[in-house]
Amino acid sequence: DIQMTQSPSTLSASVGDRVTITCRASQSISRRLAWYQQKPGKAPKLLIYDASTLESGVPSRFSGSGSGTEFTLTISSLQPDDFARYFCQHYNVYPWTFGQGTKVEIK
Amino acid sequence: QVQLVQSGAEVKKPGASVRVSCKASGYSFATYDIHWVRQAPGESLEWLGKIHAGTSNTKFSPKFQGRLTFSRDTSATTAYMELSSLRSEDTAIYYCARTPGTLDGFDIWGQGTMVTVSS
Repeated sequence: DIQMTQSPSTLSASVGDRVTITCRASQSISRRLAWYQQKPGKAPKLLIYDASTLESGVPSRFSGSGSGTEFTLTISSLQPDDFARYFCQHYNVYPWTFGQGTKVEIK
Repeated sequence: QVQLVQSGAEVKKPGASVRVSCKASGYSFATYDIHWVRQAPGESLEWLGKIHAGTSNTKFSPKFQGRLTFSRDTSATTAYMELSSLRSEDTAIYYCARTPGTLDGFDIWGQGTMVTVSS
């Protein structure tokens, strides 16, 4: 199975900060990577797919980049609604796997 | 609107089986894959497998092969997941989720079904 490793596990930030989360794959996954946001008690929400394509309706402050084994999710200016847990997930080969998650909390 | 609505919470004893349903609406059910993902309390997400709602072609995570069954009823636009030989480690929220294509992110999720395995 392809292992997905996110860093950091927890990130403390303030409203207006630029935030970057990294996701590394144990082998190349091309650009077949998605990012999700999850709030407590809710299902995950798709933010980005194919590493850098913004899902319809997702604010433009979210962006993704990378290919192969290294990927990043950037929030350009953190908003109160963005405090949540974020997951990366590959869909290159079966079984699909997720990162362990990054919790973005208020500083 | 496009949505997936899952069945309610379940409490099962070790060794039993559980069946979770996922009713789709607002789109052409038979055109898409339905995947199943679970999340143990406080943990990350784990992909269980998928079924194509039209062809019923399935893929399973090797971890669950032999214990997991997927099915669908196209007339009811509903997908089903059945997990057998339950153990305490299977306690989790089980989600169904749709992918627009064969290799894609999950764009629509069900609300989740809590399955608790306890003696």
